Amino acid sequence: QLVLTQSPSASASLGASVKLTCTLSSGHSSFAIAWHQQQPEKGPRYLMKLNSDGSHNKGDGIPDRFSGSSFGAERYLTISSLQSEDEAVYYCQTWTTGIQVFGGGTKLTVL
Amino acid sequence: QVQLQESGPGLVKPLQTVSLTCTVSGGSISSGDSYWSWIRQPPGKGLEWIGYIHYSGSTFYSTSLKSRVTISLDTSKTQFSLRLSSVTVADTAVYYCAREKGGPIDYWGQGTLVTVSS
Repeated sequence: QLVLTQSPSASASLGASVKLTCTLSSGHSSFAIAWHQQQPEKGPRYLMKLNSDGSHNKGDGIPDRFSGSSFGAERYLTISSLQSEDEAVYYCQTWTTGIQVFGGGTKLTVL
Repeated sequence: QVQLQESGPGLVKPLQTVSLTCTVSGGSISSGDSYWSWIRQPPGKGLEWIGYIHYSGSTFYSTSLKSRVTISLDTSKTQFSLRLSSVTVADTAVYYCAREKGGPIDYWGQGTLVTVSS
């Protein structure tokens, strides 16, 4: 079964960097994912598609502070030079024929 | 840039059918590599995929909602729609329409809140 696992919460200081993790279920380590950001009281926003080799394609207007990387079944989102507006819930998403799957989301607090 | 806008009733009674429409602008709804999706988010919870439709008419639905969901497409109006039948309070959520292109969802609507209450 295709499942994405995310830690419920993370925190980091203003101006620092943070690395969020999304883990693919067993047998699905070659799958690409997408990262989405949901700021408080807003709809989700597409950040990037992240492939298993770490290559990624960002959405329109996504700052260079957002980057992605991969290792095995893990997919990472790194946000550098954290700003207050980066405080949000970050969801990963993956897909196969006829199905879309979301992770549970990681709530990022900027201290 | 693709823009999506949901519309529909904000309040529905239990056991009724809710119908939502998504209007697409800035992109072709008939694009062969795009799938048009519905996703929902109950208050304070995460995202749940409902299903999607391709311009060819092929549809895919979430296993858990399949018996109650219909997604349709109107290319002349550049709209696609969601019908969810026999709603309960558990269907109370913000409903988003979105575009999936080659796998990732790359454009989202702003969402519309549907409350199920008598």
